[in-house]
Amino acid sequence: TQLLEQSPQFLSIQEGENLTVYCNSSSVFSSLQWYRQEPGEGPVLLVTVVTGGEVKKLKRLTFQFGDARKDSSLHITAAQPGDTGLYLCAGAKNSGGSNYKLTFGKGTLLTVNP
Amino acid sequence: NAGVTQTPKFQVLKTGQSMTLQCAQDMNHEYMSWYRQDPGMGLRLIHYSVGAGITDQGEVPNGYNVSRSTTEDFPLRLLSAAPSQTSVYFCASSYAESSYNSPLHFGNGTRLTVT
Repeated sequence: TQLLEQSPQFLSIQEGENLTVYCNSSSVFSSLQWYRQEPGEGPVLLVTVVTGGEVKKLKRLTFQFGDARKDSSLHITAAQPGDTGLYLCAGAKNSGGSNYKLTFGKGTLLTVNP
Repeated sequence: NAGVTQTPKFQVLKTGQSMTLQCAQDMNHEYMSWYRQDPGMGLRLIHYSVGAGITDQGEVPNGYNVSRSTTEDFPLRLLSAAPSQTSVYFCASSYAESSYNSPLHFGNGTRLTVT
């Protein structure tokens, strides 16, 4: 059972377009992290959202955590070729006591064409 | 500041061979982990460690061993490589597993092919 479903799996757009990718689950998470991975490299953290309904902005990227802390979205305004990469969401769930487990979605592969 | 360093970057093994993937971090992180990344499967946790001398299994531990003798190093051992272990392996660290908002710092991966 995949705890975190990311959609779409693939997205190819032209430079300047806007896009939204989604990360959905039936489970409640304590926090949700978004990473971007470029070819040949490891994932790099973009943002962590913690509070239900929270919105965070990182230049042209807007991240939102759902009110019920079960889902999240990433919106990119005026996409650029440098935004190309695999976008991964990861949810943290309490696994007992003060320990948390991080579960990754399968990712959205974004290609921004010049 | 090097962060998380993985070696080698590429490796080809024959079925049955053994090898060790190296991982070192210089951020004094307590938590270290190994993931494998396969097409269509995402990142899956193999083993993890919450501190020197402590290791535990993740989602897909079979065929892999780990040890954590120092805070800095967390090697992953393949005892008898199988074609199913062909994958890209990532080592990651964070300052604490217990913090729900503790981000992972990843190395740049080792691409392993088993023939």
